[in-house]
Amino acid sequence: QVQLQESGPGLVKPSQTLSLTCTVSGGSISSGDYYWSWIRQSPGKGLEWFGYIYYNGDADYNPSLKSRITMSVDTSKNQFSLKLRSVTAADAAVYYCARTEYGAHNGRRGIHFDYWGQGTLVTVSS
Amino acid sequence: SSELTQDPAVSVAMGQTVRITCQGDSLRSYYASWYQQKPGQAPILVIYGQNKRPSGIPDRFSGSTSGNTASLTITGAQAEDEADYYCNSRDSSGNPHAVFGGGTQLTVL
Repeated sequence: QVQLQESGPGLVKPSQTLSLTCTVSGGSISSGDYYWSWIRQSPGKGLEWFGYIYYNGDADYNPSLKSRITMSVDTSKNQFSLKLRSVTAADAAVYYCARTEYGAHNGRRGIHFDYWGQGTLVTVSS
Repeated sequence: SSELTQDPAVSVAMGQTVRITCQGDSLRSYYASWYQQKPGQAPILVIYGQNKRPSGIPDRFSGSTSGNTASLTITGAQAEDEADYYCNSRDSSGNPHAVFGGGTQLTVL
């Protein structure tokens, strides 16, 4: 059973960089079978996709956040990471990591997230 | 703003059938997936690829798409189905970017 676990500081100061890591167990990032995404949920709000990273380091980001995001992968540790620069109060949220399939089903392509971490709450405050 | 539109709230009497919808241009080209989220928990995938159920998801959950509208149908809703439901797909630009609907809060009466 694949499991994902987010880790990182729960409190970040405004203008600083948020850094989170997701550790994957029960499956190997380096298999190349899946992509690996970050998704956040602001308090009382919906889900927002940040972007994905592939085992070889290829990444693609949400255009609305692209200027502030860097994702990386460490296949030796079976981990991938997120850095979000210049955080503000608007970045306070629960951050999830998720295994991502870019698939084709019923004659259509698409994207879905089949395993999620439990989420980590990030507060932005001085 | 989300490229996928959902009704904010829907209610259903226990044991009855409810349909939760998701509208967006990208659904004409890309498959829809659905997630269930209960308070304080991570989302769970309940439908992907239009109408496929992951292992462990009850068969009362089904999915379909017509035109630009995807639907999640719960046939015989149970108390434990009370949750927020989110749809997702790729965005309509053709880029490999994911988008989510704003979510529908389902109340089981």
